[in-house]
Amino acid sequence: GAGVSQSPSNKVTEKGKDVELRCDPISGHTALYWYRQSLGQGLEFLIYFQGNSAPDKSGLPSDRFSAERTGGSVSTLTIQRTQQEDSAVYLCASSLAARGAGANVLTFGAGSRLTVL
Amino acid sequence: KQEVTQIPAALSVPEGENLVLNCSFTDSAIYNLQWFRQDPGKGLTSLLLIQSSQREQTSGRLNASLDKSSGRSTLYIAASQPGDSATYLCAAQTGANNLFFGTGTRLTVIP
Repeated sequence: GAGVSQSPSNKVTEKGKDVELRCDPISGHTALYWYRQSLGQGLEFLIYFQGNSAPDKSGLPSDRFSAERTGGSVSTLTIQRTQQEDSAVYLCASSLAARGAGANVLTFGAGSRLTVL
Repeated sequence: KQEVTQIPAALSVPEGENLVLNCSFTDSAIYNLQWFRQDPGKGLTSLLLIQSSQREQTSGRLNASLDKSSGRSTLYIAASQPGDSATYLCAAQTGANNLFFGTGTRLTVIP
């Protein structure tokens, strides 16, 4: 597509429920990133995909968080047994390449705002 | 771990003024330094990317500079307009996969 699409744009859920957030990157972009932005905080790196593999999962805050990417395209971030501290905007970005000094500009989606009651 | 700091956290200026936003980073071994703009409720829009070998980049009224040795970057906005009001974020890329973001400067341009 023309840009990075994320869905849902807003999600309100009850504590303890599972949620899935979807990211559809720009066609042809091999690198895909998930970030979390909490109120008043900077962007927190969660996970990075190169193709379908995730060489860096170091940012996932707990084992309740997982992500997958299929077909080198769409990615899903899943949060199990949501907690109130999971409330944040979850941003997805993609780029053509992610290696070395020639790394390309990241294009961000509009984000998915998650509110856990 | 790379730490990125942006000062000030918020800035208000009258329309027409030139202004400078500051960004500092602790690890000078960066691939690039990027400046983004974020409007309320929206994602990030890339403004400028400065490769580690470059000193500055310009786009329209925006000019970003990079001094790796001192761990600093600045974003200069000329002749500010109300439409420039947004949060400006800088990010240092230090690995193949990781951008470290500052917490941003919220700019308000007063008509």
